[in-house]
Amino acid sequence: QVELVQSESDVKTPGSSVKVSCKTSGYTFTNYHMHWVRQAPGQGLEWLGRIHPNSGVTTYAHHVQGRLTLTRDTSRSVAYMELSGLTSDDTAFYFCTTDRDWALDYWGQGTLVTVSS
Amino acid sequence: DILLTQSPSSLSASVGDKVTITCRASQNINIYLNWYQQKSGAAPQLLIYAASRLQSGVSSRFSGGGSGTDFTLTINNLQPEDFAIYYCQQSSTTPYTFGQGTRLGIK
Repeated sequence: QVELVQSESDVKTPGSSVKVSCKTSGYTFTNYHMHWVRQAPGQGLEWLGRIHPNSGVTTYAHHVQGRLTLTRDTSRSVAYMELSGLTSDDTAFYFCTTDRDWALDYWGQGTLVTVSS
Repeated sequence: DILLTQSPSSLSASVGDKVTITCRASQNINIYLNWYQQKSGAAPQLLIYAASRLQSGVSSRFSGGGSGTDFTLTINNLQPEDFAIYYCQQSSTTPYTFGQGTRLGIK
């Protein structure tokens, strides 16, 4: 069965960076886009970007362009999200999610990133 | 960016009721519209994709419709486990966008 397992929650100081991993299994990692979505506490869902694991081609949302970097390790079937220049507005749950048939069908469990001084 | 507007933002209903949530897109997105359910503390779960296709394993009490700019999610015979937040999402173009969510509560 398809599984996406994300790294543990993290606490960061303002101005620093965070890197979240998403370990996949149960499907061919290189065949489908991996997206990243975040959700601030009590708020709605916000799309951040996607990467195609085969080509490495990325697309980012305008509001995180320049701060967000999506990468992958095809040998380990792991996707990574790195966000720099953190502020308190970046405090949120971060989810990785696969895209098959233009829908986000499998999701990781979420990683809480807290930005606090 | 494509704006998705859901209505209502919240509603209350009883077990056994039928409810409909609407999602309007700011431009034509054909049938590239998906619906998700999210329960407290959990990741979203895909219910409906391509406007009207039921995701595998999802109850047939859920159905979707529409195309172009106007879409609906209907839940028949509400069950206790259906009380949650529902989001629409478009995959017509990047950036993908979500509606603001509809909170379905127990009356």
